Amino acid sequence: GQQVMQIPQYQHVQEGEDFTTYCNSSTTLSNIQWYKQRPGGHPVFLIQLVKSGEVKKQKRLTFQFGEAKKNSSLHITATQTTDVGTYFCAGYALNFGKGTSLLVTP
Amino acid sequence: GAGVSQSPRYKVAKRGQDVALRCDPISGHVSLFWYQQALGQGPEFLTYFQNEAQLDKSGLPSDRFFAERPEGSVSTLKIQRTQQEDSAVYLCASSPEGVINPQHFGDGTRLSIL
Repeated sequence: GQQVMQIPQYQHVQEGEDFTTYCNSSTTLSNIQWYKQRPGGHPVFLIQLVKSGEVKKQKRLTFQFGEAKKNSSLHITATQTTDVGTYFCAGYALNFGKGTSLLVTP
Repeated sequence: GAGVSQSPRYKVAKRGQDVALRCDPISGHVSLFWYQQALGQGPEFLTYFQNEAQLDKSGLPSDRFFAERPEGSVSTLKIQRTQQEDSAVYLCASSPEGVINPQHFGDGTRLSIL
């Protein structure tokens, strides 16, 4: 399978600060999906990236797929308390990373 | 239905008992996935169905785990002779078709083995 590694494991920010999580694979990924899981909830699909170098934005969230299709990142600008949760990347939609848990302090 | 439905939401069983977890996918979704999620970890893939065909069961941890989807809709994950390490949240997800589409997850079944 296409195993993916995520860093950092945890991130604690003040509301208004930016946040970035990284997803890395040792092999080329056919695609990558990002999910968000709120505490006590289930993963919710955010976005899928397919093309090399692809960049997609959703309001304050910016997703990138690396040129070599071996890494991806999620950047949140000016975090809000509603951004709290664990963000997972999934290679080929079956192999999830361990996630980055984001805590936002008001 | 509006979303993926899983039952029961919580299941407590004694070690050695058999359990059955049910997943009702979104109507019309061809693909169905089962994952195991331990506390503080990401979902670990267990198995994948396309209609009634089980295309990938490489993630099932042992032969005590068995999944079926006989009519291509509802799926059941069965765990025989449960052990304490089976305690986890079992998530079901469905998608319109294949692994390329976004997956819609249910709320999961939290299984506790005493």
